[in-house]
Amino acid sequence: DIQMTQSPSSLSASVGDRVTITCRANQSIGRSVNWYQQQPGKAPKLLIYAASTLESGVPSRFSGSGSGTDFTLTVTGLQPEDFATYYCQQGYTTLVTFGQGTRVEVK
Amino acid sequence: QVQLVESGGGVVEPGGSLRLSCAASGIIFSEYYMTWIRQAPGQGLEWISYIGNNDRTVYYADSVKGRFTVSRDNAKNSLYLQMNSLRAEDTAVYYCARDMSSGTLPHFDLWGQGALVTVS
Repeated sequence: DIQMTQSPSSLSASVGDRVTITCRANQSIGRSVNWYQQQPGKAPKLLIYAASTLESGVPSRFSGSGSGTDFTLTVTGLQPEDFATYYCQQGYTTLVTFGQGTRVEVK
Repeated sequence: QVQLVESGGGVVEPGGSLRLSCAASGIIFSEYYMTWIRQAPGQGLEWISYIGNNDRTVYYADSVKGRFTVSRDNAKNSLYLQMNSLRAEDTAVYYCARDMSSGTLPHFDLWGQGALVTVS
């Protein structure tokens, strides 16, 4: 199985901050990474797919980059509604796997 | 209205069985691959099963293989997960989700609200 390791597991930030979350795969997976946001008690929401393609309706302050084994999700200008948990997911194989999540908390 | 709605969750004893359903509306259900993903209390997301737009393509995570069976009825716009030999570690919220990629780069753009399964 492809393992996805996210870092950090949690971070504290303020409104307006630039936040970066990283995800590392244990083998090269091209650009087959997707990112989700999950609010407490809610289903996850797709933010970015294929490493850098913004899902329709997602604000442009979210961006993704990377290829091979290293990927990043960046939020530029954190908004109050962005405090949540974020997950990466590899879609290189049909047996998809998720990272363990990064919780973004209020500083 | 475009939505997925799960049903069938509940409390079951270890070793018991439960069947989850996921009803799709507002989409051409038969065109999409579908998946089940679960989340144990306070934990992350775990993919558990995947089915193509017909019943011929199915995949399972090792953690549920041999115990869970995914199926679909395109005429009823419904997805199912039959869960047998349930264990305490199967306690989770179970989500159904739509794969926009038809399997080429699985990514899930439409999710249900989740169904809680408690094995106790």
